[in-house]
Amino acid sequence: DSGVTQTPKHLITATGQRVTLRCSPRSGDLSVYWYQQSLDQGLQFLIQYYNGEERAKGNILERFSAQQFPDLHSELNLSSLELGDSALYFCASSLLEPGSGYTFGSGTRLTVV
Amino acid sequence: EDKVVQSPLSLVVHEGDTVTLNCSYEVTNFRSLLWYKQEKKAPTFLFMLTSSGIEKKSGRLSSILDKKELFSILNITATQTGDSAVYLCAVKETSGSRLTFGEGTQLTVNP
Repeated sequence: DSGVTQTPKHLITATGQRVTLRCSPRSGDLSVYWYQQSLDQGLQFLIQYYNGEERAKGNILERFSAQQFPDLHSELNLSSLELGDSALYFCASSLLEPGSGYTFGSGTRLTVV
Repeated sequence: EDKVVQSPLSLVVHEGDTVTLNCSYEVTNFRSLLWYKQEKKAPTFLFMLTSSGIEKKSGRLSSILDKKELFSILNITATQTGDSAVYLCAVKETSGSRLTFGEGTQLTVNP
């Protein structure tokens, strides 16, 4: 157990729908990162939050949004889902400046049908 | 835009073989390079390299960075079936803490 908890583990939904992925960071970590891992693209950075505020943004679609709550858990909202959004979504956490890299959660596998 | 390229993309070896995985990068303001192992789900941290020429070692795994030529290698000696995984290379810039990942090398070790 890495200490980073992601729910749900698997999600199957239809095109056009909206889903919410949840992440609880490791105790003491203030930063949360979201990554998307597709079969053909590897791990792509989506967005980072630090202590409730957006810190960095990657190639995140406008249909996607995220937030980090006062208790430091984070949610990634994906709307108007398309088939191409099917992927593994990872959350990772760290202190602001990780000394040894992130700690990843076990991911949420999203399948859009 | 930062770029990380790993090679080979896929590698199949027999138990006991030694493998070398490659990672080259183009980063505006390089700070560190990290290696991760990804088995079924979450990537797990292996090494972080910041200085050229200093080998990091953990058991049968070792890694070294060349900041002049902009690449790193990950060596695995006496491979075991449990080494079968995707090995990911990532780089971190001096500003911010996001990581840019390569596509990974899929290593399969057959008994």
